[in-house]
Amino acid sequence: AQSVTQLGSHVSVSEGALVLLRCNYSSSVPPYLFWYVQYPNQGLQLLLKYTSAATLVKGINGFEAEFKKSETSFHLTKPSAHMSDAAEYFCAVSDRNQKVTFGTGTKLQVIP
Amino acid sequence: NAGVMQNPRHLVRRRGQEARLRCSPMKGHSHVYWYRQLPEEGLKFMVYLQKENIIDESGMPKERFSAEFPKEGPSILRIQQVVRGDSAAYFCASRSGPNTEAFFGQGTRLTVV
Repeated sequence: AQSVTQLGSHVSVSEGALVLLRCNYSSSVPPYLFWYVQYPNQGLQLLLKYTSAATLVKGINGFEAEFKKSETSFHLTKPSAHMSDAAEYFCAVSDRNQKVTFGTGTKLQVIP
Repeated sequence: NAGVMQNPRHLVRRRGQEARLRCSPMKGHSHVYWYRQLPEEGLKFMVYLQKENIIDESGMPKERFSAEFPKEGPSILRIQQVVRGDSAAYFCASRSGPNTEAFFGQGTRLTVV
């Protein structure tokens, strides 16, 4: 069975500081991994996805994530936080059965 | 190409009533997923459907909940005899095929009073 663990339900960073949101996965087969962002009272929007091509994946809004098989991780980073990045971020894994499993989410707070 | 459309956006039901949540997937998408979101609990998978078939319903409560995705028309998540604990945001997502991006609707916020 596949699963995703997001460490830290709340993360606070200063504006301009590095953003690092952690995600570890468990999958019996090579996974497909996703990061989504959710703004208040909205649905989820895809930030980026890993589908077994390049291990460093670049997404929208300056975010990127690196797939590390040895660490079973897919952490999300952004070099410099912006106030508009404040939202909830979800890591997700999809296996060949096409079921998409989400982590419990990390709320990012950006401090001016 | 409209996105995933969910309606209603907000739904209030009294205990014991039925709730019907609708989801129209993106054009060309035949894979539909339903998730429930509770505060501080993230997104919980409920059911995965393809046209006229339930593929995986491992996240659906055994009683009162059902889902369908008919050949024509939207996918429906039905909750019978709602209770206060059913209050949550319910999200629908659709995909065009395996391991493609899932597009989400804006959700239906169900409140049971």
